Amino acid sequence: QSALTQPASVSGSPGQSITISCTGPRSDFAGFAYISWYQQHPGKAPKLIIYDVDHRPSGVSNRFSGSKSGNTASLTISGLQTEDEAVYFCTSYVTSSTLFYVFGTGTKVTVL
Amino acid sequence: EVQLVQSGAEVKKPGDSLKISCKGSEYRFGYYWIGWVRQMPGKGLEWMGIIYPADSDTRYSPSFQGQVTISVDTSVRTAYLEWSSLKASDSATYYCVRRDCASTGCPFDSWGQGTMVTVSS
Repeated sequence: QSALTQPASVSGSPGQSITISCTGPRSDFAGFAYISWYQQHPGKAPKLIIYDVDHRPSGVSNRFSGSKSGNTASLTISGLQTEDEAVYFCTSYVTSSTLFYVFGTGTKVTVL
Repeated sequence: EVQLVQSGAEVKKPGDSLKISCKGSEYRFGYYWIGWVRQMPGKGLEWMGIIYPADSDTRYSPSFQGQVTISVDTSVRTAYLEWSSLKASDSATYYCVRRDCASTGCPFDSWGQGTMVTVSS
């Protein structure tokens, strides 16, 4: 199963907004309806920050937002803070496949 | 608070067998799928497979089918990931995850702390 494609790295200064893209294998990839995003700090387990494209779990900062257009989902971090420096992964529940889930390649966010 | 607590780091030799564990607490263990995710050193996340504790329905990623065995013991609220013959390429950190289908996309709302497995002669 092909992975979802993300940029290897994105950087920004404190206070800026950045956007991370997550591109699927084709424009009709059904899994985009179910995109979730995870944040992973070094040496830590990933943490869910966005589910169902644009929903935030309780306790997650509203500086994190999600969207999708065509075969690309996006995670936007507004008001970038030093603690946002981490690796971000998108993933999708692939309903038509026994694989169940496919992960993005991961994006390292650096706060300059 | 939902918790998934995994067993500790392991150092093994090629050809050894291994079973790592993931104990769930503070939720109805039998009614949430538990999955396993591999992360090789410095790399991304890979979906391995998943099990439904209530009936042991198990699904594997094609990449891991036949390479590992996922099982569960509901009496101790624990899921397992097992190898019969480890290879050096199995060296990685393994995470268990809870799949929450309260939302449509069934995201992984809780993660274990990870179990690092090192396979070296």
